Amino acid sequence: DSGVTQTPKHLITATGQRVTLRCSPRSGDLSVYWYQQSLDQGLQFLIHYYNGEERAKGNILERFSAQQFPDLHSELNLSSLELGDSALYFCASSVSWQGEFGYTFGSGTRLTVV
Amino acid sequence: GNSVTQMEGPVTLSEEAFLTINCTYTATGYPSLFWYVQYPGEGLQLLLKATKADDKGSNKGFEATYRKETTSFHLEKGSVQVSDSAVYFCALRHRRSNDYKLSFGAGTTVTVRA
Repeated sequence: DSGVTQTPKHLITATGQRVTLRCSPRSGDLSVYWYQQSLDQGLQFLIHYYNGEERAKGNILERFSAQQFPDLHSELNLSSLELGDSALYFCASSVSWQGEFGYTFGSGTRLTVV
Repeated sequence: GNSVTQMEGPVTLSEEAFLTINCTYTATGYPSLFWYVQYPGEGLQLLLKATKADDKGSNKGFEATYRKETTSFHLEKGSVQVSDSAVYFCALRHRRSNDYKLSFGAGTTVTVRA
């Protein structure tokens, strides 16, 4: 157990639907990063939050959004889902916003869009 | 921009063989470099890291040296075991202002046979 909790572990949904993925960072970590892992794109950075504020954005689609709450957990919202959104979604946490001490990854949420 | 290129797999080895996975990077400034490992069905785990030129990261028999002159961070292990079968990712941590995300290579699948 890495200390980073992601729920649900698996999600199957239909095209056009909306889902919410949840991430609880390791105790004491203030930063949360979201990554998408797909066979064709590899691991792609989506977005970074630090202590409730957005710090950096990657190639995140407009249909996707995220937020970090006062208790530091984060949610990634995916809407108008397409088949191509099927992937593993990981979150990672770190103590600081610079991540100099390393990142701890959760075990991921596997999203299947049918 | 900053990027990581690692050797393509899959790599299949016999137990006790020597493993090398090549990783080169392109970056402005002085990034930190990491190797992460992903076992089947799990999230990414930090294997080792190096934060400046000539640093050597090591863990569980794996080693990698940060070579600025060749912009490389090759992963090596002298005698692999079946339990080392996994996907290995080389990663770079940016050090631009307000952007400390990890950028990953494509991953190298390693299978060790008894």
